Amino acid sequence: DTGVSQNPRHKITKRGQNVTFRCDPISEHNRLYWYRQTLGQGPEFLTYFQNEAQLEKSRLLSDRFSAERPKGSFSTLEIQRTEQGDSAMYLCASSLAGGDEKLFFGSGTQLSVL
Amino acid sequence: GESVGLHLPTLSVQEGDNSIINCAYSNSASDYFIWYKQESGKGPQFIIDIRSNMDKRQGQRVTVLLNKTVKHLSLQIAATQPGDSAVYFCAENAQGAQKLVFGQGTRLTINP
Repeated sequence: DTGVSQNPRHKITKRGQNVTFRCDPISEHNRLYWYRQTLGQGPEFLTYFQNEAQLEKSRLLSDRFSAERPKGSFSTLEIQRTEQGDSAMYLCASSLAGGDEKLFFGSGTQLSVL
Repeated sequence: GESVGLHLPTLSVQEGDNSIINCAYSNSASDYFIWYKQESGKGPQFIIDIRSNMDKRQGQRVTVLLNKTVKHLSLQIAATQPGDSAVYFCAENAQGAQKLVFGQGTRLTINP
């Protein structure tokens, strides 16, 4: 499977715990995006990387959220001190800079904060 | 099941009929538009896209129409099949921006 891969698929955690999600983009794609989606809503942009550089962060990305893409390949999204309002589907997508602008999405990580 | 406060627009069509899903956008600087299909528990899947220098683009069983005058986008699905049941999202990208902004989805259900 050469699509975008996200792990884990589901994560249940207690409020106050830290969680980390991983995304492996399509191998030749140099842009990687994180989106968040709540029930009944469209995905909301969080941040994106071109290679290892984080080029834009949404105001939705509080200081409890941090994303990294250390070698320009896979990325991690960490949420510290989780809150119930963090419960959502976290989607990763990738694209090729200079190509067309469509994003290819993974299946997401569903986070439930109890 | 759906939660209180969830009011996703829905469209119900008979199997075999054509479906038209509409989307309004607000950013006049947007120059790229795209439709995604999202099935339960999955990520959005690309359907078709269009640039602002076009007003119509056709794919296999799908057509996207763009009316820049009224900032309106539509997705037409011909001969709707049960497998077309999903939530459909439109998204836009403003010139110079590097991210897609998604609209509210429409849930398409197919009646046998």
